[in-house]
Amino acid sequence: DIQMTQSPSSLSASVGDRVAITCRASQSVSAYLNWYQQKPGKAPKLLISAISTLQSGVPSRFSGIGTGTDFTLTISSLQPEDFATYYCQQTYSMPRTFGQGTKVEIK
Amino acid sequence: QVQLQESGPGLVKPSETLSLTCTVSGGSITNYYLTWLRQPAGEGLEWIGRTYINGSPTYNPSLKSRVTISADTSVNRFSLQVTSVTAADTAMYYCASGDIKIDYWGQGTLVTVSS
Repeated sequence: DIQMTQSPSSLSASVGDRVAITCRASQSVSAYLNWYQQKPGKAPKLLISAISTLQSGVPSRFSGIGTGTDFTLTISSLQPEDFATYYCQQTYSMPRTFGQGTKVEIK
Repeated sequence: QVQLQESGPGLVKPSETLSLTCTVSGGSITNYYLTWLRQPAGEGLEWIGRTYINGSPTYNPSLKSRVTISADTSVNRFSLQVTSVTAADTAMYYCASGDIKIDYWGQGTLVTVSS
């Protein structure tokens, strides 16, 4: 299985801050890297697919970059509705695997 | 827009079989990969497996011997069975559409394994 490791596991930030979450794969996942946002009590929501493709309706303050094994999700200016847990997922090989999650909390 | 809704017992006894159904609306299941995932309370997401109407299901090896995913096109539903459950199978279970990217998710259903 491909292991996905996110860092940090949690972070505290203020509204307006720039936030970056990294995701490292144990082997190359090519461009098969997605990011999801999950709020408490809710199902995850797809934010970004294929490293950097923003899904319809997702604000442009979210962006993704990376290649091969190292990827980053950036929120350029944190908004109150962005406080949530974020997961990366690889769909390069079976079984599909997720990072352990990064919880973004209010400072 | 595709909508998915899980249903099934919220409580299952140890050693018994967990059975869940996902009803899909807004689109035919023949057009999508159909995926099951789960999430223990306070933990991360685990991919259980996926199927496609014209193909064979693929399962997570960690669960493979106990899991079956099937689909019924006549009622636009797909199902999950997990046999010989233990407390470790207690989780929120999600059905979803998509494989390379999971576009649509059900709201989830909590399954507790307890006697």
